[in-house]
Amino acid sequence: DQQVKQNSPSLSVQEGRISILNCDYTNSMFDYFLWYKKYPAEGPTFLISISSIKDKNEDGRFTVFLNKSAKHLSLHIVPSQPGDSAVYFCAARGLSGSARQLTFGSGTQLTVLP
Amino acid sequence: SQTIHQWPATLVQPVGSPLSLECTVEGTSNPNLYWYRQAAGRGLQLLFYSVGIGQISSEVPQNLSASRPQDRQFILSSKKLLLSDSGFYLCAWSVMGEGDEQFFGPGTRLTVL
Repeated sequence: DQQVKQNSPSLSVQEGRISILNCDYTNSMFDYFLWYKKYPAEGPTFLISISSIKDKNEDGRFTVFLNKSAKHLSLHIVPSQPGDSAVYFCAARGLSGSARQLTFGSGTQLTVLP
Repeated sequence: SQTIHQWPATLVQPVGSPLSLECTVEGTSNPNLYWYRQAAGRGLQLLFYSVGIGQISSEVPQNLSASRPQDRQFILSSKKLLLSDSGFYLCAWSVMGEGDEQFFGPGTRLTVL
């Protein structure tokens, strides 16, 4: 059972336009959400996060929106740049055993076209 | 500053051979440590996590095992590799007691033939 879902495996956007990456979750106990960016053959790097008590967090070109009632979060990148081309993973934090764990989605490959 | 190392970067192993992947963290103490696998076209699957020396929790039943012989060393092992063990293996660490932002190593690409 996938608790964190990224239903779009890929997304192509023109340079300068907005990229919107979506993520849905099923576990209402998740209390913190993160976005990671991953280039091929490298480990993921942290991008931006949001607590469940907020509905928006902005950092430069990146904004994450959280809709708790819909159990949906999205990452907006504006303006998109070719260097943003990567796989984006959303992750949700919840309790599991003796430590808080992150559950990752399957990722969305973003391609920004010049 | 904190750094995380993984080796080897790539590995090609025959079916039935043993495996040992190593991960070390520098610049922090008592980290939570994690092993993930990213299979082709799939997301990140948590395999093991550790909150302290000798403490290992397994998230999925599998052919692999993990050990934490020292505070900042995490080892992923197998006695006999299967074809399905192929994938990209990632080690990560987080601040003890927090577990939200995790910092990932560069990964190991394992191909089992």
